[in-house]
Amino acid sequence: GENVEQHPSTLSVQEGDSAVIKCTYSDSASNYFPWYKQELGKGPQLIIDIRSNVGEKKDQRIAVTLNKTAKHFSLHITETQPEDSAVYFCAARQSYQKVTFGTGTKLQVIP
Amino acid sequence: GAGVSQTPSNKVTEKGKYVELRCDPISGHTALYWYRQSLGQGPEFLIYFQGTGAADDSGLPNDRFFAVRPEGSVSTLKIQRTERGDSAVYLCASSLAPTGSPLHFGNGTRLTVT
Repeated sequence: GENVEQHPSTLSVQEGDSAVIKCTYSDSASNYFPWYKQELGKGPQLIIDIRSNVGEKKDQRIAVTLNKTAKHFSLHITETQPEDSAVYFCAARQSYQKVTFGTGTKLQVIP
Repeated sequence: GAGVSQTPSNKVTEKGKYVELRCDPISGHTALYWYRQSLGQGPEFLIYFQGTGAADDSGLPNDRFFAVRPEGSVSTLKIQRTERGDSAVYLCASSLAPTGSPLHFGNGTRLTVT
């Protein structure tokens, strides 16, 4: 089955700096890659997603890139703010809808 | 509109007891998923329903775990003879069909087995 690896496990940045989280996946049949943000005591919330026919997608301060050949994808957050502090999960899905998650990155934005 | 609702938000039970966890998906979402999240880990897939039927139950750890969705809306995750290792947050998510719709998660039920 699919295996998703995520790095780093923790990340501290100064407010205003950029943060980058990287993931790799194992199954070349995966075609949908969402990113979720999880705050303490809450369920994961979708922040951005990308499909396998697209190499990059941007939404305000958040961008995701996908390299299908290398089977890796990354999340980029620019101009980080304290409210960006949370745990971020990457995930991968094949066409039959089972979603496999990475192990998470705890992001701390220092004011 | 209303999101995915899970009840109870917290459940404490004794080892060996039976528990039921409930999930109300977003209205109109035909796909429903159960995940389990241990502390410091990502959500781990348990089971996926498309309508009333379990399309993929490959993530259920053993036969003590069972889930139903009799009318294609509300789902119940049932755990028999609970063990301390079952302690985790149980997350429910729903999505629109067809393939390619994002998952919308509830806030989970935190299960503690003492």
